[in-house]
Amino acid sequence: EDQVTQSPEALRLQEGESSSLNCSYTVSGLRGLFWYRQDPGKGPEFLFTLYSAGEEKEKERLKATLTKKESFLHITAPKPEDSATYLCAVQAGGQNFVFGPGTRLSVLP
Amino acid sequence: GAVVSQHPSRVICKSGTSVKIECRSLDFQATTMFWYRQFPKQSLMLMATSNEGSKATYEQGVEKDKFLINHASLTLSTLTVTSAHPEDSSFYICSASRTGTSYEQYFGPGTRLTVT
Repeated sequence: EDQVTQSPEALRLQEGESSSLNCSYTVSGLRGLFWYRQDPGKGPEFLFTLYSAGEEKEKERLKATLTKKESFLHITAPKPEDSATYLCAVQAGGQNFVFGPGTRLSVLP
Repeated sequence: GAVVSQHPSRVICKSGTSVKIECRSLDFQATTMFWYRQFPKQSLMLMATSNEGSKATYEQGVEKDKFLINHASLTLSTLTVTSAHPEDSSFYICSASRTGTSYEQYFGPGTRLTVT
């Protein structure tokens, strides 16, 4: 069975304090790993897609990396507006996504 | 590009009534749309997958007669919660996948359903 876990469950950072979020997965035949940001009461906002081990993608203060077992979302010098829940999802053989439980990030000014 | 809208954003209905939620892809064609349910502080749970012009595929444990899904066009899918009960109160989110080789799903803003 395809599974996705995320750690930590919640993370508090001071503004400017860099850190990483983890997404671990067990799937057969990974087609893609996806990172989304979700603000309270809103739908997830697409951030990145990673398709193969070794791949990296960057967007502003965020950088996503992928290995055969996990993905990291690195946040460099975060700002309070980066506070959100970050969701990881994987797509295996079919079309459906399996979402992780998310990491709630709070960045304090 | 890749904007998905949902309507309404919030709805309150009485127990026993039905409510329809619309999901539209505004600037792209979506052969596949997905419906998710999200409880507070929990992740998204897939309810069903709908392909344009065919019957929806429901996840295990989701009652197809209770959650009616129609995907009548490449830009519109609807979810109707029939005979709603308070336990159906939740945040319902749709997503749409472009045609072609892209695997990304683009999500709507969600609909908060409260059944009284």
